[in-house]
Amino acid sequence: DTGVSQNPRHKITKRGQNVTFRCDPISEHNRLYWYRQTLGQGPEFLTYFQNEAQLEKSRLLSDRFSAERPKGSFSTLEIQRTEQGDSAMYLCASSSLTGGESEAFFGQGTRLTVV
Amino acid sequence: RKEVEQDPGPFNVPEGATVAFNCTYSNSASQSFFWYRQDCRKEPKLLMSVYSSGNEDGRFTAQLNRASQYISLLIRDSKLSDSATYLCVVNYSGNTGKLIFGQGTTLQVKP
Repeated sequence: DTGVSQNPRHKITKRGQNVTFRCDPISEHNRLYWYRQTLGQGPEFLTYFQNEAQLEKSRLLSDRFSAERPKGSFSTLEIQRTEQGDSAMYLCASSSLTGGESEAFFGQGTRLTVV
Repeated sequence: RKEVEQDPGPFNVPEGATVAFNCTYSNSASQSFFWYRQDCRKEPKLLMSVYSSGNEDGRFTAQLNRASQYISLLIRDSKLSDSATYLCVVNYSGNTGKLIFGQGTTLQVKP
């Protein structure tokens, strides 16, 4: 399977715990994005990388959220001291820089439930 | 004001109907535009890019009006399988690739 892979698919955690999600992009893609989606809403931008450089982080993202892409390949998203409001689907996408347009391919997401 | 705005619907239409969705964006410097489709509990997938001259792909037609900062998607001869949420997507930063999604418009095609 050469698509975007996310692990785990589901995560249930107690409030206050830390969680980490992993995303493996399509191998030749140099851009990687993280989004959060709640029911009835479109994906909300969190952050994105070009190779290993984190180019932008949403102002909506609190300091409890951090993302890394240490070797420009896979990425991790960590949420510290989780809150019930963090419950959502976390989507990862990747794309390649080609001309002025690039299709973003999404993984199936990690569904987080904070209890 | 949201950066990308869509009417969430739902749009309930009979099979064979023609339906149009609209989307407005706030940043006039936006470079690229797309429509994505998202099925229930699935990830978004690219439906089509939107070009300045307008473009068509089978039953689907996309239009861009830069002066009005407005994007549209027209679906002709609706099929049951077209039932999904349609997401308007704007690239705000040229080739740097930040993609901003609208809330999505839900379409339900009924027999």
